[in-house]
Amino acid sequence: EVQLLESGGGLVQPGGSLRLSCAASGFTFSTSGMSWVRQAPGKGLEWVSSIISNGGNTNYADSVKGRFTISRDNSKNTLYLQMNSLRAEDTAIYYCAKGWFDMDVWGQGTTVTVSS
Amino acid sequence: QSALTQPPSASGSPGQSVTISCTGTSSDVGGSNFVSWYQQHPGKAPKLMIYEVTKRPSGVPDRFSGSKSGNTASLTVSGLQAVDEADYYCSSYAGSNHVFGTGTKVTVL
Repeated sequence: EVQLLESGGGLVQPGGSLRLSCAASGFTFSTSGMSWVRQAPGKGLEWVSSIISNGGNTNYADSVKGRFTISRDNSKNTLYLQMNSLRAEDTAIYYCAKGWFDMDVWGQGTTVTVSS
Repeated sequence: QSALTQPPSASGSPGQSVTISCTGTSSDVGGSNFVSWYQQHPGKAPKLMIYEVTKRPSGVPDRFSGSKSGNTASLTVSGLQAVDEADYYCSSYAGSNHVFGTGTKVTVL
């Protein structure tokens, strides 16, 4: 069964950092582009970042550029999102998704709350 | 990276058809072959329904179809069923960025 399982969310103060992880199983992770998408409470979907299969190319939304870093460990079938300088507006459910051009498998999401 | 424009809501009776529009620009929808549509039920993760403008992933009913004309993409759901009641989002990949639509809530009357 193809599966993505996010972890690492939680409550963090403004200016703080968090590292999200996404464990992949059931497909060949090392040949798949991967993405992070977030959804603020009661709001729509917002693309955050994507990374190609070998990690050699990454893209970021302007809203997170310079603060967030996407990375992957193909030996561990795991995708990461390092989030620094967090702001209240980063509060959202963060979804890990398989795909670069489109996202055909999604995790259940992990909740990040930025508040003092 | 402005969000693509979708109508906030759409509705139809069971068995009817509903079409949702997704309007962007020549820099995203109009210039991309990578337009996709996602369905999201309350409290659930999104699900890919259409990719590359018109293609359906395995397991998605053929009641769902996609098209594009100029800067506007469309999703049509034919033969509406109660299970189709959900939020729908379009998305376009252009250059190095993705952009999602504002979302449309589909109600089955």
